[in-house]
Amino acid sequence: QSVLTQPPSASGTPGQRVTISCSGSSSNIGSNTVYWYQQLPGTAPRLLIYANDRRPSGVPDRFSGSKSGTSGTLAISGLQSEDEADYYCSAWDDTLNGVVFGGGSKLTVL
Amino acid sequence: QVQLVESGGGLVKPGGSLRLSCIASGFTFTDHYMTWVRQAPGKGLEWLSYVSGSGSVTYYADSVKGRFTHSRDNAKNSVYLQMNSLRVEDTAVYYCARVGVAGANEFDFWGQGTMVTVS
Repeated sequence: QSVLTQPPSASGTPGQRVTISCSGSSSNIGSNTVYWYQQLPGTAPRLLIYANDRRPSGVPDRFSGSKSGTSGTLAISGLQSEDEADYYCSAWDDTLNGVVFGGGSKLTVL
Repeated sequence: QVQLVESGGGLVKPGGSLRLSCIASGFTFTDHYMTWVRQAPGKGLEWLSYVSGSGSVTYYADSVKGRFTHSRDNAKNSVYLQMNSLRVEDTAVYYCARVGVAGANEFDFWGQGTMVTVS
């Protein structure tokens, strides 16, 4: 059971906008920033969003992040087939004194 | 460009030990915390440990505290994960990653991973 809760799956058709939620608590997302990672099949994770809503260079602006209270959200607009991947959220947890991840959400492009 | 290359994975019996290495290049090594993250087969990501740029500060997840030791050799641009008292549930791909900004928790570059099988 992961400390951060994500839906196990999400899906959309090419061109659509999809969102993936990440629910936490006051000890993690409520008091710290949210990060998002993309893991394409058979590859290492890649940083997608940092500090709640910032994109590293090279990440398309189709990807965006937000945070409200104890939840974070990843939005992907203009969905493309190459976006099919697993997506993970993470945050520091003040109680556990460590980084916690969500269980991951598998995005399928129909 | 930033590169991280892990090595040292393999097959080990329960109760055994293994030492993973990660060689870094393409950035000022001492400016960054480094971290280890693992992923059991078909499962999600699990954070394991941090080591500070100087190597003097470490943090561990409860699941590995007391069994794993994260260290670094700045002269060799390398970090290590000494894993003792290994359990079947430690079977996973182990990734080393760079922490992007001091005080933050973003893992901005990752290695390709090394597989550890405890059986």
